[in-house]
Amino acid sequence: AQSVAQPEDQVNVAEGNPLTVKCTYSVSGNPYLFWYVQYPNRGLQFLLKYITGDNLVKGSYGFEAEFNKSQTSFHLKKPSALVSDSALYFCAVRTGNTPLVFGKGTRLSVIA
Amino acid sequence: GAVVSQHPSRVICKSGTSVKIECRSLDFQATTMFWYRQFPKQSLMLMATSNEGSKATYEQGVEKDKFLINHASLTLSTLTVTSAHPEDSSFYICSARAQGSGELFFGEGSRLTVL
Repeated sequence: AQSVAQPEDQVNVAEGNPLTVKCTYSVSGNPYLFWYVQYPNRGLQFLLKYITGDNLVKGSYGFEAEFNKSQTSFHLKKPSALVSDSALYFCAVRTGNTPLVFGKGTRLSVIA
Repeated sequence: GAVVSQHPSRVICKSGTSVKIECRSLDFQATTMFWYRQFPKQSLMLMATSNEGSKATYEQGVEKDKFLINHASLTLSTLTVTSAHPEDSSFYICSARAQGSGELFFGEGSRLTVL
């Protein structure tokens, strides 16, 4: 069975500082990994994905994530956080055409 | 970019009534659509996978007679919550997989409140 773990319910960071939101996964086969962001009472917005190729993936709004196969991780990072980055972040995984399986989400709070 | 529209975005209904939520892919065809349910401060739980022209596949623990899913065309899937009760109150999100590319796009969600 596929699963995703986001070990932190909440991440607090000062504006301008680098941020990291952690994600580890468990799958059989090659993982397709995704990050989404959700603002209050809204759907999910796609940030970035890893399918194959370069382990460092760059996405929307300055976010990036690094696929680490040995650690089965796909942490989301941004060099300099903005207050507007405050939201709920979901990591998700699938293999082939299976449905996405989501982590529980991490609430990011960027403090001015 | 590709857009998935959900309607209504918010609905309040009385206990015992049925509510239909629509999920439309506006500029692409979707052979597969997914319906998720999100409880407050929790993750998205997959309810069912909907394939155009065939019966939906429900996840374990989801009542298919309670949550009716119809995927009648390549651009529309509907979720009907039948005989709704307060415990059905939730945020329902659909996603659509684009035919060809396989890209997945999410709707804006529908908040159901059952009084």
